[in-house]
Amino acid sequence: DQQVKQNSPSLSVQEGRISILNCDYTNSMFDYFLWYKKYPAEGPTFLISISSIKDKNEDGRFTVFLNKSAKHLSLHIVPSQPGDSAVYFCATLNTGTASKLTFGTGTRLQVTL
Amino acid sequence: GAGVSQSPRYKVAKRGQDVALRCDPISGHVSLFWYQQALGQGPEFLTYFQNEAQLDKSGLPSDRFFAERPEGSVSTLKIQRTQQEDSAVYLCASSSRDRGLFSGYTFGSGTRLTVV
Repeated sequence: DQQVKQNSPSLSVQEGRISILNCDYTNSMFDYFLWYKKYPAEGPTFLISISSIKDKNEDGRFTVFLNKSAKHLSLHIVPSQPGDSAVYFCATLNTGTASKLTFGTGTRLQVTL
Repeated sequence: GAGVSQSPRYKVAKRGQDVALRCDPISGHVSLFWYQQALGQGPEFLTYFQNEAQLDKSGLPSDRFFAERPEGSVSTLKIQRTQQEDSAVYLCASSSRDRGLFSGYTFGSGTRLTVV
């Protein structure tokens, strides 16, 4: 059973526009959420995170929104740049009981010129 | 080193062969994690060490998988009698925090295992 879902396997956005990547989870015990970015042949790198006590966290061009009632989070990238082209994974954590991250299946973002 | 180092980068194994994958975490990092990433999927948790203690091995898919970190630094993931479904990228991550939370995870580049 997939506890974390990224329903869009791919997304293409024009340079300068907003990229919106979505993630849904089923386990209400998850209370911390992260986004990772992955280039080919490299390991995932941390991008931005949010605690369940917040509904928004912003870091430069990246903003993560959390809707706890809908069990939904999204990552907004604005403006999108060609270097943002990568696979993006959302990951969730239950800080009370486990150290392991539960990842979604990823969304491949392509930013075109 | 500056990052998490994994070796080998690529490994081709014949079905039934045993393999050993190595992870060198960032010096001083207490927590170490192994993940398995199948093609087109996200990373899936395998096991977690805090120093030399293996605190969680709930993600190991079978008793053919074994991980160790005897001195609390380098870790080895061993897979015995490899099968085709073991083909995946094996990722190691380390963290200085005792539970590896938040942004403290640093991932290695992974070992791509192909079982033929």
